[in-house]
Amino acid sequence: DIQMTQSPSTLSASVGDRVTITCRASQSIDSWLAWYQQKPGKAPKLLIYKASSLQSGVPSRFSGSGSGTEFTLTISSLQPDDFATYYCQQYNSYQYAFGQGTKLEIK
Amino acid sequence: EVQLVESGGGLVQPGGSLRLSCAASGFTFSTYEMNWVRQAPGRGLEWVSYITSSGKTIYYADSVMGRFTFSRDNAKNSMFLEMSSLRVEDTALYYCARGGPNDDYDPPDYWGQGTLVTVSS
Repeated sequence: DIQMTQSPSTLSASVGDRVTITCRASQSIDSWLAWYQQKPGKAPKLLIYKASSLQSGVPSRFSGSGSGTEFTLTISSLQPDDFATYYCQQYNSYQYAFGQGTKLEIK
Repeated sequence: EVQLVESGGGLVQPGGSLRLSCAASGFTFSTYEMNWVRQAPGRGLEWVSYITSSGKTIYYADSVMGRFTFSRDNAKNSMFLEMSSLRVEDTALYYCARGGPNDDYDPPDYWGQGTLVTVSS
């Protein structure tokens, strides 16, 4: 099974900051990686697919990069609405897997 | 507007069974792959199962294989998760989530609001 590891688990930042979250796969997944945002009590929202493609309607301050085993999600200038938990997900193998999540908190 | 509405959750004793349903609308259900994803209270997301548009190919997480059965009824725009031999660790909010068209193994893009399953004696 492919394991996904995110870092950090918690990130404290301020409005306007540039932040980066990292996701590592236990084996190569090419570019078959997605990023989700989840707010308390809400369903996850797809932000990025195929490692770097922005889902329709998602603000351009969100970007993704990487291939193989290492990937990043970057938010260029944090907005108040961005404080949430972020998950990566691999969909390379037939058993999809999520990372454990990164909680983005207000500093 | 794409809508996914889960139902069937509830309290069940360990070893018991439960059937979850998901009603889909706002898109051509029969052409989309679908998923179940769960989230234990205060924990992260865990993918549970995947089904192709026709229902002919189904995959399961190791944690539920042999105990859960994923099926769909394209004529009724619905999908189901039959859960048996339930364990305390199956307690979670269960989401149905739409994959992509054409069985391309796309990541889920629309999610329901979830139905809560609690396994406890």
